Amino acid sequence: GESVGLHLPTLSVQEGDNSIINCAYSNSASDYFIWYKQESGKGPQFIIDIRSNMDKRQGQRVTVLLNKTVKHLSLQIAATQPGDSAVYFCAETHNTDKLIFGTGTRLQVFP
Amino acid sequence: DTGVSQDPRHKITKRGQNVTFRCDPISEHNRLYWYRQTLGQGPEFLTYFQNEAQLEKSRLLSDRFSAERPKGSFSTLEIQRTEQGDSAMYLCASNRGNEKLFFGSGTQLSVL
Repeated sequence: GESVGLHLPTLSVQEGDNSIINCAYSNSASDYFIWYKQESGKGPQFIIDIRSNMDKRQGQRVTVLLNKTVKHLSLQIAATQPGDSAVYFCAETHNTDKLIFGTGTRLQVFP
Repeated sequence: DTGVSQDPRHKITKRGQNVTFRCDPISEHNRLYWYRQTLGQGPEFLTYFQNEAQLEKSRLLSDRFSAERPKGSFSTLEIQRTEQGDSAMYLCASNRGNEKLFFGSGTQLSVL
């Protein structure tokens, strides 16, 4: 079936460095992608989204890149801070259907 | 607070008991979703409503699970005859369709 997966289960970065979290998706028909951040004991929190007619979108300190050719999504966090420590999920959907989530990457930020 | 609200935050029950969770979505959102999440995994879709109509149910939703949204506002998720494998975080989310989902903080269920 269709699935969304991540290459790296854990990513450790030093405070101030840039972080890149990757995600592969398998449904070529997906047209909307979202990155969520989840802290322990909380629900997923929206970070940034991108539609399939774009290949890059920027927010505050975050950038999402979409490569439809290889079905790859990435989240870049600039100047990573301790407060960025969390689990990050990518999610995809097609035609406003339900979101399908990947398994997550844990980001650890150390001083 | 105008976010998605879930109650209770935590529920401990004995195997075989029934439990019911409540979700209050963001008021202007017509779609409401239930997801289940186990440790280290991403949320898994269970079911969703558009207004009061339940439009889709996952294969994960066995006949022991039932969800309702009678007036198109709040929703309840009931699990009958709970099993240890039902232990998980149950997340509710809402949107206006074609938009990002807003999640609640979830109900953590522990079945002993």
